[in-house]
Amino acid sequence: GNSVTQMEGPVTLSEEAFLTINCTYTATGYPSLFWYVQYPGEGLQLLLKATKADDKGSNKGFEATYRKETTSFHLEKGSVQVSDSAVYFCALSDGNDYKLSFGAGTTVTVRA
Amino acid sequence: GAGVSQSPSNKVTEKGKDVELRCDPISGHTALYWYRQRLGQGLEFLIYFQGNSAPDKSGLPSDRFSAERTGESVSTLTIQRTQQEDSAVYLCASRLGGSSYNEQFFGPGTRLTVL
Repeated sequence: GNSVTQMEGPVTLSEEAFLTINCTYTATGYPSLFWYVQYPGEGLQLLLKATKADDKGSNKGFEATYRKETTSFHLEKGSVQVSDSAVYFCALSDGNDYKLSFGAGTTVTVRA
Repeated sequence: GAGVSQSPSNKVTEKGKDVELRCDPISGHTALYWYRQRLGQGLEFLIYFQGNSAPDKSGLPSDRFSAERTGESVSTLTIQRTQQEDSAVYLCASRLGGSSYNEQFFGPGTRLTVL
């Protein structure tokens, strides 16, 4: 079956630091990969996605590259801000129903 | 232009009671999903509706859980004889349908606490 494993948190950083959250997956087919973000007090929203190998998803300064050879989709941002404090979820979708399999989430706190 | 809405936002119930959670998807979205998020864990898929097709119930954890959807609109998730392990945030998402590139839009969730 499908599964997603992501780096455990919590992660605490200073502003302008480099952020990376590791994510690896197991899937039976050729999944699409996603990062979702949940800001404090808000609902889950899509941050970025990649639908095939070697694709790079990017949004709001965040990037993640779909690596089929290492079955990974690590999230990175070069210079974080306090407003990036949130819970980040890695997810995959594999199949015609597009239902998502999620990692456990990583809580990121950025301090000024 | 409203997003996915869910009600109630919070529900506290006693063990053994039945609860009903509601989801209003984005208008025109044919696909609807329910997920459950237990404390400190990722989201677990529960059930999927696509148009008039038979729902995919493969994620429902027990026969105490059921869900219905009226056409392509409102969905209700019912939990009968609630247990403490049912305590979680229940999230609903809708998707336009068709292309796999269409993202799922999530509601704010219903936080269920079973005492």
